[in-house]
Amino acid sequence: GAGVSQTPSNKVTEKGKYVELRCDPISGHTALYWYRQSLGQGPEFLIYFQGTGAADDSGLPNDRFFAVRPEGSVSTLKIQRTERGDSAVYLCASSLAGKTEAFFGQGTRLTVV
Amino acid sequence: GENVEQHPSTLSVQEGDSAVIKCTYSDSASNYFPWYKQELGKGPQLIIDIRSNVGEKKDQRIAVTLNKTAKHFSLHITETQPEDSAVYFCAASPVSGSARQLTFGSGTQLTVLP
Repeated sequence: GAGVSQTPSNKVTEKGKYVELRCDPISGHTALYWYRQSLGQGPEFLIYFQGTGAADDSGLPNDRFFAVRPEGSVSTLKIQRTERGDSAVYLCASSLAGKTEAFFGQGTRLTVV
Repeated sequence: GENVEQHPSTLSVQEGDSAVIKCTYSDSASNYFPWYKQELGKGPQLIIDIRSNVGEKKDQRIAVTLNKTAKHFSLHITETQPEDSAVYFCAASPVSGSARQLTFGSGTQLTVLP
């Protein structure tokens, strides 16, 4: 596609529910990143995929957060037992392998009520 | 872990003037320093980056300087235009050649007044 696509653009969920956020990277980009951005703050690194494997998940805050990329393209970020503190914009980015220029999507705004 | 401080948090300049945003970092292992521009409702967009073996880099009206000894780096925008208005983020990473493990500053809201 023309850019990184994230769906949904907005998601409102109740505390304790499970959510999935989807990222479609730019075609051919093997590297994929998830970041989280709280209001008025810079993005925080969550996880990095090179191909299908999570090469670096050091930014995941706890075991309620999990991400997959089964075929090396689309990725899904999964959050279990959501808490109000999980409310943020979740950003996905992709890049060519070994390249520093990562292209970000517009993000999914998650609100936990 | 890495800590990146960014100043100022807001900056207003007249069109045509220069704007300077400054960042400091704490981890001497950081060797990659990108700058991102984020417009409302959009994801961050890389505008320029610098690696630790370079002291200055220019791209048209944008320049970045790096002082590794002092652990600070700056973004300079000359001849500012209204379309430069956005939030700008600096970032630092110990991983060269990748956008992973970027630690971002808290952002600078730049407003260019016509």
